[in-house]
Amino acid sequence: AQSVSQHNHHVILSEAASLELGCNYSYGGTVNLFWYVQYPGQHLQLLLKYFSGDPLVKGIKGFEAEFIKSKFSFNLRKPSVQWSDTAEYFCAVNAKAGKSTFGDGTTLTVKP
Amino acid sequence: NAGVTQTPKFRILKIGQSMTLQCTQDMNHNYMYWYRQDPGMGLKLIYYSVGAGITDKGEVPNGYNVSRSTTEDFPLRLELAAPSQTSVYFCASSYSNHNEQFFGPGTRLTVL
Repeated sequence: AQSVSQHNHHVILSEAASLELGCNYSYGGTVNLFWYVQYPGQHLQLLLKYFSGDPLVKGIKGFEAEFIKSKFSFNLRKPSVQWSDTAEYFCAVNAKAGKSTFGDGTTLTVKP
Repeated sequence: NAGVTQTPKFRILKIGQSMTLQCTQDMNHNYMYWYRQDPGMGLKLIYYSVGAGITDKGEVPNGYNVSRSTTEDFPLRLELAAPSQTSVYFCASSYSNHNEQFFGPGTRLTVL
């Protein structure tokens, strides 16, 4: 069965600090990888996705993620966070058609 | 274009009662999903559907049922509510396995 592990449950940063959130998955076949964000009081929305091609993908609001197949990882990065990035971040994997697995989420708090 | 809509937004049930959570999407998406989100636990897939008339179990299907008679609608049925079903329920849809999921606003359910 596929699984997704997010290593950091809660991250606290000051504005302008760099961010890296870890995501590892377990599945031996082809996967589609996603990062979603949930801002306080809002729906989950897509930050970025990968399913083929360049393993470094760029998303909205300056976020990027790198797919490293040999490490089964899809870590999320941002060079300089802002207070408005305070949110919960979820890594997700789609392997078998329709069977989607989410990580437990990482709560990011950015102090102004 | 309303996206994914869910009703009701909030509901309190007594143990043993039943209810249906409604989900409708107007994006002509083939795939639809039901998740539950418990505090600190991320999203767990309950059921999913890859098209009208086709449904399959996710990670935590016990105590729930679904149907998909049309492309637009994907209701989730709780037959005998239990306190363990207290959670926030999210419906989502996507065009395919490669594509992002669009989420509804959620239903907060409490079973007492």
